[in-house]
This record gives sequence, C-alpha cells and structure tokens, in this order.
Amino acid sequence: RKEVEQDPGPFNVPEGATVAFNCTYSNSASQSFFWYRQDCRKEPKLLMSVYSSGNEDGRFTAQLNRASQYISLLIRDSKLSDSATYLCVDGGTSYGKLTFGQGTILTVHP
Amino acid sequence: DAGVTQSPTHLIKTRGQQVTLRCSPKSGHDTVSWYQQALGQGPQFIFQYYEEEERQRGNFPDRFSGHQFPNYSSELNVNALLLGDSALYLCASSFGLGEASTLHFGNGTRLTVT
Repeated sequence: RKEVEQDPGPFNVPEGATVAFNCTYSNSASQSFFWYRQDCRKEPKLLMSVYSSGNEDGRFTAQLNRASQYISLLIRDSKLSDSATYLCVDGGTSYGKLTFGQGTILTVHP
Repeated sequence: DAGVTQSPTHLIKTRGQQVTLRCSPKSGHDTVSWYQQALGQGPQFIFQYYEEEERQRGNFPDRFSGHQFPNYSSELNVNALLLGDSALYLCASSFGLGEASTLHFGNGTRLTVT
C-alpha cells in the first residue's frame, strides 16, 4: 500500500465549478498534513496545512479525518489560474521529511 | 531576499557517470532536504542535512550521497547513474528542524540520463 494515495485525475472542470480532491494516508502516527500546489515544470508550493478541525483559506477548504486516515481539499468557484497539480502531503512524525502523494491534475477551462 | 537556488537547471549524463547537484538555501535557513521527482509522480524524500550532518534518509541506495557546507549550502552526489535516475531533483530549505510548513523549495535540477 502506498503511504499517500491520491486519485491522479485528471480533473477537467469549467470555471466557477466546485471540485474536491481526496487522499488517504497509511501512517496513523503522522502529526501533520499539507496540500501543496505544483505548476507545470515548477517547484511545489505550500497551499495550506490541514487540521482536524478543518481550515479554510478563501476558496479553499481542507479537512482531516484521523479515524479514516483521509484528507480532502475543496476548491470553490474555480479559476483558470487554479489549473495545476495538487499534492497531498504527510508530514510524518519527524520534521523535514515529507511524504507526497502522486498528485492530482486539475485543469480549469473557460 | 534570495530564495532557494539550485544549479544547474538542466543536466544530461550517460549511464555509469557521476553527477553533483548544488543547492543554496533561502537566506536565514540552515537545513536542507533533497527530493527526487520522477515524471508523473510526487517528490520522494532522499535525505536531510542539518549542522553538516545527514539527519534523516529515505529509501535511496548508497549511490546517493550528500554534503552540507558551513555556509549551509548543500550538494547531492549520485554515482553510477542509471536510466531510472532521470528525474527532477528538488532542494528544500528550512530553519532548524522545525515544522514542515516552513519548507521552501528551489526550482529544481532536471537530470536526464541516457
């Protein structure tokens, strides 16, 4: 079983749509989780951290379910500029070692 | 304020050769981690350096080695290159051994092994 599993997509949605990405992780001891965004041929950039209580940043909402070892990212009112690969990340139990999922490709079209 | 810089940006090598990639951390950062990202995959952790010592290591063979210098910059060395080593190599820096949310990635070095 992969340590972090994501549906690779691709997801093709029109502008204004709501899209949700899901991810599961295998390490029940992991303490921190993140969503990163990676544009084509660029480096990954932190989108947001994920907390059990759920957290929201503008159009983006992340949720962590520890019991199911499940992480989600919801994007509302999609913009063309949201087109990218979204990486689910397990921060593990030791700092600095991130375990990335395969990434989910999102394309937002006019 | 310079971010994480990596060199070279692109590199082509032949099987069996050796390669050295370089990374300068973001100003104020003292910890460097290296990741390998194959096409269509997420980055995979290679190792982490802090205070000039390797602190953590992922599931990579001994052909992958590294070094951190007193000015916090780092090198990644790969010996006896294989075709499967072709990938984007990412360097990430942070301050101390703190939370992963402080990780800053460089633009990467794209290595092609022929």
